[in-house]
Amino acid sequence: AQSVAQPEDQVNVAEGNPLTVKCTYSVSGNPYLFWYVQYPNRGLQFLLKYITGDNLVKGSYGFEAEFNKSQTSFHLKKPSALVSDSALYFCAVRDKDSSYKLIFGSGTRLLVRP
Amino acid sequence: EAQVTQNPRYLITVTGKKLTVTCSQNMNHEYMSWYRQDPGLGLRQIYYSMNVEVTDKGDVPEGYKVSRKEKRNFPLILESPSPNQTSLYFCASSLTGRGRVEQYFGPGTRLTVT
Repeated sequence: AQSVAQPEDQVNVAEGNPLTVKCTYSVSGNPYLFWYVQYPNRGLQFLLKYITGDNLVKGSYGFEAEFNKSQTSFHLKKPSALVSDSALYFCAVRDKDSSYKLIFGSGTRLLVRP
Repeated sequence: EAQVTQNPRYLITVTGKKLTVTCSQNMNHEYMSWYRQDPGLGLRQIYYSMNVEVTDKGDVPEGYKVSRKEKRNFPLILESPSPNQTSLYFCASSLTGRGRVEQYFGPGTRLTVT
């Protein structure tokens, strides 16, 4: 079965430090992977995606993610965290059996302390 | 401004009282979808629509109905709400693009069924 795992419910990091939010996936064939962010009382906003090509993908707000096929991972990273990055982050993979359906992870809450 | 709108944003109702949550997008997107978000479970798809008059079940369709009479609108109907439908609901839309494109999400509707 296709799935996405976000092993950490919460990640804490100090402002200015690098951050990583982890995501692993299980899907047959080549995956289409996405990261979304949810700020309080807001809908999900698209951050970045991996479809094909370069394994390092750059997205909005200075975020990037590295696709690692051998480890089936798609970790979200940022070199220097901001307090305003504090939010709920979701990793998602396109369902191979239904082209437009996204399978979401359970979410990781990022808390950046001043 | 390109956006997905949902109404109402907050709703408290009683068991069995029919309700409708509206969703509208102004981006001429073919694909629209409803998700529910529950703690620890991420987002799960309820129903989706590939175009006008084309709808299909997602992962958790029980107790919900949808319709797609116009391209821009995709209302979610709860004929007889029950407490287990208390959740945060999101509408999303996208171009088709063979699953390679990101989805745009509405701001969410927080529903409480007592």
